[in-house]
Amino acid sequence: DSGVTQTPKHLITATGQRVTLRCSPRSGDLSVYWYQQSLDQGLQFLIQYYNGEERAKGNILERFSAQQFPDLHSELNLSSLELGDSALYFCASNQGEGGRETQYFGPGTRLLVL
Amino acid sequence: GNSVTQMEGPVTLSEEAFLTINCTYTATGYPSLFWYVQYPGEGLQLLLKATKADDKGSNKGFEATYRKETTSFHLEKGSVQVSDSAVYFCAPDRGSTLGRLYFGRGTQLTVWP
Repeated sequence: DSGVTQTPKHLITATGQRVTLRCSPRSGDLSVYWYQQSLDQGLQFLIQYYNGEERAKGNILERFSAQQFPDLHSELNLSSLELGDSALYFCASNQGEGGRETQYFGPGTRLLVL
Repeated sequence: GNSVTQMEGPVTLSEEAFLTINCTYTATGYPSLFWYVQYPGEGLQLLLKATKADDKGSNKGFEATYRKETTSFHLEKGSVQVSDSAVYFCAPDRGSTLGRLYFGRGTQLTVWP
C-alpha cells in the first residue's frame, strides 16, 4: 500500500459526459501528479500540482482540467468524453516539487467510455 | 524533452533464468533514473532508482547501473521467480527541480515455473 488513494476504482460512462476523479496523496506529500495509461499511448504525464499550484503540464487535453485543494487532495475533471479517453488514470505524490524524489502511485481509476 | 526507449516485450523466461531488460534514454538535463513495476491489476511501485552517474540501484535481487556515457539504465536479475511476472517501466525524470517522469512503453515479463 503506497498511501495514495484514488476514487472511484472503476467508472463507466457515455460519450459526451463529464467525470471527476479524486486523489488523496500520502500524508505530508505536497506534490500530486496525474498520469494516463492507455494501450496506444502508454503511460503519459498529464499535470502536476504542488501545494495547490499548477507546476507542470504534459499532454493534457483542453477538455481535461485538474486542481489541488487546500487539504492537498486533487481532482481530475474530464469533460466531453470520447471513446479514446478510456484508460487507466493514476495519480502519484511526493513531498517536494519532485526532482530526484520517488513518486508513490495510487491504484488507479479505470475509466471506460461507451 | 526527455524520452526513453525500452526493450520490447513480451519477455518469457523459465524460473531461475537471467533477466536483462534494456533501457536507454535521451535527456537535456541530468535526470534521476527509475525502474517501476506494475503487477497485474495494481498501480506502479518503485523497484529501484539511481540519481547520479555510476550509481547502482538495487532491490529484491534486481539491479541497474546509471551509465551516463551510454545513457542507459538496464535492469538485471540473476535468477527470476514466478512472482516477478509483471510489467516493468524505465523512467527518467526531468533532471530539474520539477519531477515529472518520462515512461517507456513497458516490458511485460512472464516467468514460467
